[in-house]
Amino acid sequence: IAGITQAPTSQILAAGRRMTLRCTQDMRHNAMYWYRQDLGLGLRLIHYSNTAGTTGKGEVPDGYSVSRANTDDFPLTLASAVPSQTSVYFCASSDSRGADEQFFGPGTRLTVL
Amino acid sequence: GQNIDQPTEMTATEGAIVQINCTYQTSGFNGLFWYQQHAGEAPTFLSYNVLDGLEEKGRFSSFLSRSKGYSYLLLKELQMKDSASYLCAVVSNDYKLSFGAGTTVTVRA
Repeated sequence: IAGITQAPTSQILAAGRRMTLRCTQDMRHNAMYWYRQDLGLGLRLIHYSNTAGTTGKGEVPDGYSVSRANTDDFPLTLASAVPSQTSVYFCASSDSRGADEQFFGPGTRLTVL
Repeated sequence: GQNIDQPTEMTATEGAIVQINCTYQTSGFNGLFWYQQHAGEAPTFLSYNVLDGLEEKGRFSSFLSRSKGYSYLLLKELQMKDSASYLCAVVSNDYKLSFGAGTTVTVRA
């Protein structure tokens, strides 16, 4: 079944640790995105990629990095996790950046203690 | 910056109609999306408006007025499975998607 997957489903992490959230899509979409969702704040864009080999900063990029080595994968790395990064993280993809419908992965619930 | 406002919560009875309003002030405009998100799940696409007017899709309709910075999502013949959060999102000039905080709709029997 075509779609977008994320791993892990959930994670509890000690502050200061490094963590990579994985995201893979098999729809051959050009654009991919990482959002965090916090109660009362809605979804906020962390980083995006228009196409393989390019990345850009979203609304809340500090403390996060991404890479886009190929079309399918878009990992999000927290170099040194802090408690304020406790959130639900969603990866999404769309055929192109812009006004195309975004398809969302199931999310990763991350708790930083 | 982007400013997207929608009510926090709404409650309605099964079979009724509910209208969720969304107002926005953004850096340019390239369309407005509505997404549905059930608790603990990913958002899923409902509608996209880029021109003024009403788009109807089954029990759901979405309206846009660009001059007023306003949209609404209309849910008709409410069913229990419609209990969810509804997210308004605007595509700005740089083609980034900005989301409102979402409206939680509770459908009561």
